[in-house]
Amino acid sequence: TQLLEQSPQFLSIQEGENLTVYCNSSSVFSSLQWYRQEPGEGPVLLVTVVTGGEVKKLKRLTFQFGDARKDSSLHITAAQPGDTGLYLCGRGSTLGRLYFGRGTQLTVWP
Amino acid sequence: NAGVTQTPKFRVLKTGQSMTLLCAQDMNHEYMYWYRQDPGMGLRLIHYSVGEGTTAKGEVPDGYNVSRLKKQNFLLGLESAAPSQTSVYFCASSYAQPGTGGDQPQHFGDGTRLSIL
Repeated sequence: TQLLEQSPQFLSIQEGENLTVYCNSSSVFSSLQWYRQEPGEGPVLLVTVVTGGEVKKLKRLTFQFGDARKDSSLHITAAQPGDTGLYLCGRGSTLGRLYFGRGTQLTVWP
Repeated sequence: NAGVTQTPKFRVLKTGQSMTLLCAQDMNHEYMYWYRQDPGMGLRLIHYSVGEGTTAKGEVPDGYNVSRLKKQNFLLGLESAAPSQTSVYFCASSYAQPGTGGDQPQHFGDGTRLSIL
């Protein structure tokens, strides 16, 4: 069962462009975490969103949690090659585990 | 500043062989997890542990066993390796139970790349 749907699966853009990736669920979740994974490394947490409608910014990255807490988005402004990586969203459960989406593979070309 | 350390980093096995992947964390985390990552599949939970001496099944536990004899270590075993277990394996740890609001982040190791021939 895929509890989280991420889109798009792949994204290839030029440096300087803007982009948005999405994380959606059919059910409400209490919080959502976004991770970035670079080649050959493990995922690293970028942000946790908890409150419906919440917006968090991390330099050129803007994270939004939907009002109904069923979806989240990550917007990158003026993408740079260093933003290249796999972006994963993950939601928690009461069973002590985190469910991840399948990820968005972003490539930013110089 | 070791964080989560996985050994080995690479391994090639023949079908039917057994091996153990070791995960060690130095952050005094209660929770530890083993995931596998396959192309286009994201991270899938194999087994996890909510404390020393405890283990629980995740999404894809078949063919794997785990043990958490010490708080800082979480071992993943393959008793009889199969080609379908070729994957990158990640261990993670965290302070508190996700899903309780204000979730603690999971800290990941750099992975073990395992090939089964």
